[in-house]
Amino acid sequence: DVQMTQSPSSLSASVGDRVTITCRASQYISHYLAWYQQIPGRVPKLLIYDGSTLQSGVPSRFSGSGSGTDFTLTISSLQPEDVATYYCQKCNSAPFTFGPGTKVDIK
Amino acid sequence: EVQLVESGGALVQPGGSLRLSCIASGFTFSSYEMNWVRQAPGKGLEWVSYIGTSGTPTYYADSVKGRFTISRDNTKNSLFLQMNSLRAEDTAVYYCARGGYCSGGNCRTTVFDYWGQGALVTVSS
Repeated sequence: DVQMTQSPSSLSASVGDRVTITCRASQYISHYLAWYQQIPGRVPKLLIYDGSTLQSGVPSRFSGSGSGTDFTLTISSLQPEDVATYYCQKCNSAPFTFGPGTKVDIK
Repeated sequence: EVQLVESGGALVQPGGSLRLSCIASGFTFSSYEMNWVRQAPGKGLEWVSYIGTSGTPTYYADSVKGRFTISRDNTKNSLFLQMNSLRAEDTAVYYCARGGYCSGGNCRTTVFDYWGQGALVTVSS
């Protein structure tokens, strides 16, 4: 099965900073990669699918890029409401494995 | 408004069984693939199972294969997860999540765009 890894596992940044999270698949998955945000105590929320397509209603400061095995989630200007754990997920076929998550907080 | 409401979570002894339900509303349930995802306390998300629009195909994570069974009743807009031979490591919040839209035999990419609030399953003696 394809394994998903994320780096870093956690990060601390200042409000307004540009934040980048990396996700890597152990095998080729084309563009079939989604990103989710889980705010503490809340249900996961879909941010980006197909590697770079922003889900309706998601702020434009979030963007995704990559294909094949290497993907990136970028927050262009970190806001206090972005404190959360971010997960990537492979979406091409079952098992729909999630990455281990990246916890983002404010410095 | 799309809504997914899970029920059936409980405290159960190791080796026991439990059936989770998820009632869907606000969309054409029979046109969407569905999934179960779980999250152990303080841990990350783990995909558990998938079911196609008509009840097939079904897929399972290795950790639950042979013990859990996913099913659906499109006449009642309902998704189910039958969990047998439960173990302590199955303790988690279980979410139902809407997957891809299917029409005419073609399905969009399986992304989980709506999630329920979750049902807590605790396996302990």
